[in-house]
Amino acid sequence: DTGVSQNPRHKITKRGQNVTFRCDPISEHNRLYWYRQTLGQGPEFLTYFQNEAQLEKSRLLSDRFSAERPKGSFSTLEIQRTEQGDSAMYLCASSWRGTGGNTIYFGEGSWLTVV
Amino acid sequence: AQSVSQHNHHVILSEAASLELGCNYSYGGTVNLFWYVQYPGQHLQLLLKYFSGDPLVKGIKGFEAEFIKSKFSFNLRKPSVQWSDTAEYFCAVSFGAGSYQLTFGKGTKLSVIP
Repeated sequence: DTGVSQNPRHKITKRGQNVTFRCDPISEHNRLYWYRQTLGQGPEFLTYFQNEAQLEKSRLLSDRFSAERPKGSFSTLEIQRTEQGDSAMYLCASSWRGTGGNTIYFGEGSWLTVV
Repeated sequence: AQSVSQHNHHVILSEAASLELGCNYSYGGTVNLFWYVQYPGQHLQLLLKYFSGDPLVKGIKGFEAEFIKSKFSFNLRKPSVQWSDTAEYFCAVSFGAGSYQLTFGKGTKLSVIP
């Protein structure tokens, strides 16, 4: 499968613990995104990388959240001191910056439940 | 503020009925428009997209959408739905030329009754 890959797919953690999610984008895609989706809502933008540079962060991304893409390939999203409000699906997506528009492809997501 | 609205939260249709899901956005500049579908237990999949040119775009599985700039709308249509179309449908917009960020509507859940 050459789509966007995310792991773990499901994570249950106690409040206050740290969690980390990994995303492997489609090969050669230079843009990588993180979104968050809660029940009954559409995905909300969190952050965006072009290659290894993090170019934008949403105000939704509090200082407990950090994302990296160290070599411009895979990315990690870490949530420190998790809160119950962090429970959501965390979606990774990727695209290729080129002509003809920017089509974004999503992974299957990582479900986070904070208890 | 830029926003995307999907007016129908839940649509229930019988098989072979025609489908139209509404999507409106608020922004006066250049937009790129998308419809994504999320089947139960699966990830978001791209149905179709509009960047420029013919405002009537055709996507996968017999879906089409029409961009009406004057109405700031991008409605999704299918002439005859099937039970397998049961899913949640999301309209998404990127605002501004060269924008990389998608703003999603809240989604419309479609239930097709056999």
